[in-house]
Amino acid sequence: AQTVTQSQPEMSVQEAETVTLSCTYDTSESDYYLFWYKQPPSRQMILVIRQEAYKQQNATENRFSVNFQKAAKSFSLKISDSQLGDAAMYFCAYRSRTGFQKLVFGTGTRLLVSP
Amino acid sequence: DSGVTQTPKHLITATGQRVTLRCSPRSGDLSVYWYQQSLDQGLQFLIQYYNGEERAKGNILERFSAQQFPDLHSELNLSSLELGDSALYFCASSADGDMNTEAFFGQGTRLTVV
Repeated sequence: AQTVTQSQPEMSVQEAETVTLSCTYDTSESDYYLFWYKQPPSRQMILVIRQEAYKQQNATENRFSVNFQKAAKSFSLKISDSQLGDAAMYFCAYRSRTGFQKLVFGTGTRLLVSP
Repeated sequence: DSGVTQTPKHLITATGQRVTLRCSPRSGDLSVYWYQQSLDQGLQFLIQYYNGEERAKGNILERFSAQQFPDLHSELNLSSLELGDSALYFCASSADGDMNTEAFFGQGTRLTVV
């Protein structure tokens, strides 16, 4: 079974600074997706960024980028120029491309942003 | 706004009772997924429906059941409720059955069992 591990329960960053959230996963599959979801106090789960495992190029969405290391099974999220609105829980998630395609989530990292 | 609507937003009920949570997917989405978010278990996949049929099952208790209706809305029924069932229940929808298209989450239903 696939597992996702987020070893940082909480991270802090100042506005305009850069922060990196860590995620590792375990799978025997070669074809899969990885995601970062943001959950603000409103509880809404918002997709931040998505990476296909077969793509070597790291995904980027504006201030959000990932460092995908397939061999190391590592998928970190970098937030540049942090803003107060980035404060939220961040969940790393895995999904197989074939077969049983549920999202497997990590335990989350709470990001605090200070002025 | 994701376009996925969940009702009610909050629900407080007593142990032993039965409740129904409702989800309306985004217009055109055929798949509905249910997830449970609790403090001790994190986010867990419960069940998926695609175009009215059960597609995949996760860690869903026998006391829980779901269905998807012809108009594609879905209901999650929770019965013989226990204190440990208190959680945030999310519904997500996607256009296809394979989540190759993005899944959009509703705002969740906060269930409190007292």
